[in-house]
Amino acid sequence: ILNVEQSPQSLHVQEGDSTNFTCSFPSSNFYALHWYRWETAKSPEALFVMTLNGDEKKKGRISATLNTKEGYSYLYIKGSQPEDSATYLCAPNGGNKLTFGTGTQLKVEL
Amino acid sequence: KAGVTQTPRYLIKTRGQQVTLSCSPISGHRSVSWYQQTPGQGLQFLFEYFSETQRNKGNFPGRFSGRQFSNSRSEMNVSTLELGDSALYLCASSLGGTHHTDTQYFGPGTRLTVL
Repeated sequence: ILNVEQSPQSLHVQEGDSTNFTCSFPSSNFYALHWYRWETAKSPEALFVMTLNGDEKKKGRISATLNTKEGYSYLYIKGSQPEDSATYLCAPNGGNKLTFGTGTQLKVEL
Repeated sequence: KAGVTQTPRYLIKTRGQQVTLSCSPISGHRSVSWYQQTPGQGLQFLFEYFSETQRNKGNFPGRFSGRQFSNSRSEMNVSTLELGDSALYLCASSLGGTHHTDTQYFGPGTRLTVL
């Protein structure tokens, strides 16, 4: 069973702030890392999937990096907007399924 | 392309009853996974079906079962409901390749309340 930790649990930022959060996972038996965004009353939405050490992915103002040797990934949001308010979930694939962390809940205030 | 659909969206049952939830995947997707989410917990993996066979299973008691039909639609059944089964149940579909980058697409979930 993979132990996946996300920090912080929750975050309040002001509109325009840049922010980042962390996903930690065991570096052994690692195959891929998925990031999802889950807005209230909607379905989780896939953001990125990364596999290689040093991988960096970007989608608009959101980007993510991956360090497979030490077992962590960072998600960055540049110039946060209220529509970025959501729970951000990471899920490493350690072999045959995704194991989700409990997420970081982001609230962007005007 | 239509997304993943789940029915019903809300359900209220009493302890001891059984319940069946349904999931229709995106057209062309052959894998369906089921997850349970309770307050304070991450998405807990229940099981995955691929081509009508259970391919992976999480750590849930035998009261939780599922099946998949030839059109890839899947059902999940919970028997002898307990109060702790109250949760949001999500299904996710994917193409089903064994590659670890296979992206899962989630449905809106079924909110089950057990009284």
